[in-house]
Amino acid sequence: GAVVSQHPSWVICKSGTSVKIECRSLDFQATTMFWYRQFPKQSLMLMATSNEGSKATYEQGVEKDKFLINHASLTLSTLTVTSAHPEDSSFYICSASEDRASKGYTFGSGTRLTVV
Amino acid sequence: QQQVKQSPQSLIVQKGGISIINCAYENTAFDYFPWYQQFPGKGPALLIAIRPDVSEKKEGRFTISFNKSAKQFSLHIMDSQPGDSATYFCAASNQGGSEKLVFGKGTKLTVNP
Repeated sequence: GAVVSQHPSWVICKSGTSVKIECRSLDFQATTMFWYRQFPKQSLMLMATSNEGSKATYEQGVEKDKFLINHASLTLSTLTVTSAHPEDSSFYICSASEDRASKGYTFGSGTRLTVV
Repeated sequence: QQQVKQSPQSLIVQKGGISIINCAYENTAFDYFPWYQQFPGKGPALLIAIRPDVSEKKEGRFTISFNKSAKQFSLHIMDSQPGDSATYFCAASNQGGSEKLVFGKGTKLTVNP
């Protein structure tokens, strides 16, 4: 089945630094990838939709300069949290789909970001 | 229009029992309704999904019931096991439109031995 690999699985960084999270589709090409944020005991909140070769589409209220998304190839999308602050600490999850009509969406294993 | 309402928020079931989680939606353009299972510290994993052209889909112990006129769908877990203890999310999307998944708020299921 479709596999989405997300790295790192957890990261601790100092306030003010930037952190990059990678999301790779291992056995299929993903024209579109999605980035979510999840707070403890809450649902997934869509942050942005990442399209290969074009600018990401951000959801309302998501700071595009804070959360930089790059989708350079059909198998790789990255999320960079810039100038991270403690309030950015969260669980970040990506997802991708090879063929939404028949195969649905596959999620990565998530990245736990802790900003200290 | 974009909301998916999920209930209950939490559910405790005895081993061997039936777990039932319900979801309701407003947007009639939704045409894909998946259920995800999430364990702590992990990403969601697709359990089962349904499209509005069928009223029921069964895969092993998991069944989705879909009521298009009522705009409701539910997940039934038969013979619930302690290993099923997780958080379950329903979701919906418009495959022909923005294709973004809209998630319910989740149900924490606990299956007691």
